[in-house]
Amino acid sequence: DTGVSQNPRHKITKRGQNVTFRCDPISEHNRLYWYRQTLGQGPEFLTYFQNEAQLEKSRLLSDRFSAERPKGSFSTLEIQRTEQGDSAMYLCASKMAGNYGYTFGSGTRLTVV
Amino acid sequence: RKEVEQDPGPFNVPEGATVAFNCTYSNSASQSFFWYRQDCRKEPKLLMSVYSSGNEDGRFTAQLNRASQYISLLIRDSKLSDSATYLCVVNYNTDKLIFGTGTRLQVFP
Repeated sequence: DTGVSQNPRHKITKRGQNVTFRCDPISEHNRLYWYRQTLGQGPEFLTYFQNEAQLEKSRLLSDRFSAERPKGSFSTLEIQRTEQGDSAMYLCASKMAGNYGYTFGSGTRLTVV
Repeated sequence: RKEVEQDPGPFNVPEGATVAFNCTYSNSASQSFFWYRQDCRKEPKLLMSVYSSGNEDGRFTAQLNRASQYISLLIRDSKLSDSATYLCVVNYNTDKLIFGTGTRLQVFP
């Protein structure tokens, strides 16, 4: 499989619970991005990594959100104490630095009830 | 004001029609420009990059006007399979993509 893989595809959780999503990028890609997309909106940038270093975080990424890429390969995005406003599609993308070829995963759709 | 603005539509057009989408961006430092296509509940996929000289890919033509900070996409001879949301995207030298809200196109028989 040469694409970007995201798990789970869907997640339903109760308000206040913690959730964690995983992204496996294309293996030779050193940059990994997280975006969030709500209904009727375009994807919004959350954060990105080059290898294991987190280079930028959006102000959208509140202190309840944390992302890691511990070995410069897969990444996890954790949301603590979920709120209904966190319901969205969480998209991961990867690319090589200096290359414009982003590849998006299929996303994880989160529903907070 | 959003950094990238698009008319959300929907644009409802018959098969064979020509349809044009427009987009404006606010940051004059924007360096790269793209149109992405997104099918319902799917991930965005690159449709085409946009260059100042204008570029064409089959039935699709993209134009960029840096002075007016304006990007366009023209689709000729629309097909049913063109029904999707078209996202206008800019990229600054920070290497993150800034998406517009998308314009929804519905092509009917």
